[in-house]
Amino acid sequence: QKEVEQNSGPLSVPEGAIASLNCTYSDRGSQSFFWYRQYSGKSPELIMSIYSNGDKEDGRFTAQLNKASQYVSLLIRDSQPSDSATYLCAVLGQNFVFGPGTRLSVLP
Amino acid sequence: NAGVTQTPKFQVLKTGQSMTLQCAQDMNHNSMYWYRQDPGMGLRLIYYSASEGTTDKGEVPNGYNVSRLNKREFSLRLESAAPSQTSVYFCASSEAPSGMSSYNEQFFGPGTRLTVL
Repeated sequence: QKEVEQNSGPLSVPEGAIASLNCTYSDRGSQSFFWYRQYSGKSPELIMSIYSNGDKEDGRFTAQLNKASQYVSLLIRDSQPSDSATYLCAVLGQNFVFGPGTRLSVLP
Repeated sequence: NAGVTQTPKFQVLKTGQSMTLQCAQDMNHNSMYWYRQDPGMGLRLIYYSASEGTTDKGEVPNGYNVSRLNKREFSLRLESAAPSQTSVYFCASSEAPSGMSSYNEQFFGPGTRLTVL
């Protein structure tokens, strides 16, 4: 079974700080990587996708991919209380595999 | 555009009852998926349909059947519900099932919260 691992958290950061979320995966053949945000009681919402090694920036979000280390991360700059949610890492190899999610709490 | 819609939003069943969860998308996507989400276990793929006319098992298919009715609609059926099927069920769709492009980004419906007593 291909696996995607994340720290379950909660990860607590003060408002305005950088939140760093990490994800490792086991399938070396994986080609596409995604970060979803899920508020309590709601459905997952896509916030970033990344396909090549390196960094990809979109507003306050930066995704980082290192295929050699089988590692993908999400940085959230200037964290806001509205960023408090569970962040799901998803990896596409033969099928989509989701990690268990990291709960982020941004403290005012 | 409504995106991905699911019905019903909530459902309570007794053990042994059957029901069908409905999903429809209006984004002209080729691929559709059914997931279940349980606390601490993340999203697990039940079945998927890479394109109209095809369906394949995912990680946890036992106890479920699916029908890809047309390009827009993908239903999930529980023939004889069990308490272990208590979960939140999400339907998702993407333009394509694989590859290295934005075509494989999945978009989710609002979910169905199912309780089996």
